[in-house]
This record gives sequence, structure tokens and C-alpha cells, in this order.
Amino acid sequence: AQKVTQAQTEISVVEKEDVTLDCVYETRDTTYYLFWYKQPPSGELVFLIRRNSFDEQNEISGRYSWNFQKSTSSFNFTITASQVVDSAVYFCALSEGPLSQGNLIFGKGTKLSVKP
Amino acid sequence: EADIYQTPRYLVIGTGKKITLECSQTMGHDKMYWYQQDPGMELHLIHYSYGVNSTEKGDLSSESTVSRIRTEHFPLTLESARPSHTSQYLCASSPPGETQYFGPGTRLLVL
Repeated sequence: AQKVTQAQTEISVVEKEDVTLDCVYETRDTTYYLFWYKQPPSGELVFLIRRNSFDEQNEISGRYSWNFQKSTSSFNFTITASQVVDSAVYFCALSEGPLSQGNLIFGKGTKLSVKP
Repeated sequence: EADIYQTPRYLVIGTGKKITLECSQTMGHDKMYWYQQDPGMELHLIHYSYGVNSTEKGDLSSESTVSRIRTEHFPLTLESARPSHTSQYLCASSPPGETQYFGPGTRLLVL
């Protein structure tokens, strides 16, 4: 069975702090995809990143970075020098098999509050 | 990035009413989805479609129904709304083998 666990329900930091959001997944498939989405208070989901199971290379995009480790089944997300605009709920998601067939399984989300 | 539109954004309605939540996308994506999300909780897939005339039930059982008569349009209907249907409903679409992009959502309150 596939499963996504985001153990941190809520995190509160002060602006300019670094923060890491944890994501642990379970799957028996060798081909799968991992995602991070951001949900600001307005409610829409904003796509941040997609990673496939064959690409363990870490990625950096501005203040965002992602650490994918198959050995620990984790796909953690770090925000460097956090800003108030980063306040949102962040969801990690998993899709098994070819992307054209698999549906997304979401974690419960981590609510990040960045205070000025 | 896809342009996905959902209307209404907010809806307050009485028990027993029939409602249709609209979802449209302008990118010609074949696959479309409906998710239900209770406040502060994860998203659950309730319906999806591979293309015109295709509809499938998702992981979470839902009393709603969907239709896909046109590629760009994927409405969700509740024949008789109940307070238990109060939730946020998010629509998404994707090209084949690509990432899902989400609409702004509809927040439904059934009194």
C-alpha cells in the first residue's frame, strides 16, 4: 500500500530562519513520483516540484531545496531564510507507476507559520 | 502551467438542494480530477477522467457524480446536498504523463 507521512503537523518559525519539512513515503513500486505542493490561505494548490524514483539528485530553486533519499524513503523540503509569504500548508504527494496512470496520494500536510 | 477555473469559489446552500460545481481548463488536458479536502486535512481523490466520456471513481467514496462531455469541462454534481458534504472541492488537470495543476477550489457550506 502506498502512503505518505508528514509527521510535522504545524511548524512556527521567525522570519529568516531556515526550516525543513519532512516527508516519508511507502511504496512497493520501483517507479514512482514524488511531489510538493503549497497551499496558501487562499486555498489553491501550487505545484512546487516533481521528482521521479530514478533521480535522487537534490534540487535547489532559489530559497527552496529538496533532499530525496531512497535509502530512507524520504523527500524533505527546506526553505532557507524563510519569509512571511512562505506561510502556508505544504503537502507532499506520491504517485505510483507511470505518471499517466497513477493518481496522487497526499500526506496530511504541514502548516508553516513564518512570523515577522 | 495550466489555467483552471472553478465556480463558484464559495457556496452556502440549504440541505436537500441540488448543486453543480463547475471546473474548466483551457489547456486541452485529457486527464481531470476532483478532490475533496476538509479544513486542515489532506486531499482525497473522489473522481477522475481520462478524457471525453470517461469517468472513474477515486479513492474516497462520494455521493457526487461527474460528467465529461467536453475536454475542457468537468462538472461535479450533488443531487441532494447534506451538511456532511461541507468541504472544499479542488479540481485539477494534467496532460498525459505530466504533473497535475489545480484550480482555486470551491468552498461549500451546507446548512
